Amino acid sequence: AQTVTQSQPEMSVQEAETVTLSCTYDTSESDYYLFWYKQPPSRQMILVIRQEAYKQQNATENRFSVNFQKAAKSFSLKISDSQLGDAAMYFCAYSAGNQFYFGTGTSLTVIP
Amino acid sequence: NAGVTQTPKFQVLKTGQSMTLQCAQDMNHEYMSWYRQDPGMGLRLIHYSVGAGITDQGEVPNGYNVSRSTTEDFPLRLLSAAPSQTSVYFCASSYVVGGAYGYTFGSGTRLTVV
Repeated sequence: AQTVTQSQPEMSVQEAETVTLSCTYDTSESDYYLFWYKQPPSRQMILVIRQEAYKQQNATENRFSVNFQKAAKSFSLKISDSQLGDAAMYFCAYSAGNQFYFGTGTSLTVIP
Repeated sequence: NAGVTQTPKFQVLKTGQSMTLQCAQDMNHEYMSWYRQDPGMGLRLIHYSVGAGITDQGEVPNGYNVSRSTTEDFPLRLLSAAPSQTSVYFCASSYVVGGAYGYTFGSGTRLTVV
């Protein structure tokens, strides 16, 4: 069975600093996709970044980047120059075939 | 472009009552799904559909029913509400089956069963 593990239930970061959220996954597939979703207090699920497993280059979206280690099955999210609006729950997710699994989430607090 | 529309946003039910959570998308997405979100458990798949007339069970299907008569609509029915079904429910859709490009989510329904 595929699982997604986020081992940090809560994290905090000073405004303008950098924070890294961890995610590991378990799979026997060779072709899959990985995602980070942000859920602010509004409850809306927002796609932050996407990584295709066959691509070695780490995905980047503005201040958000990932460190994708396929052999280690690790997919961490780095947020640079953290802003107050980054405060949210962050979910790591895995997709292969018609299956889509979420981790349990990391609650990020941004300290002014 | 409305995306995925869920109604209602909030609902309180008494144990044993039934209700339908509505989900509609205007993006011509083939794949639609329902998740429930509970504290410390992330999002868990209830049911999904890969196209009109085709549905299948996810991880936690008991107590829920779905149908997909059109591409646009994917309602979730609670047959006899129980306190264990208190949760936040999300509908999600994707153009590609399996969400290779990620899902588009509705804004969620907070359901309380008393």
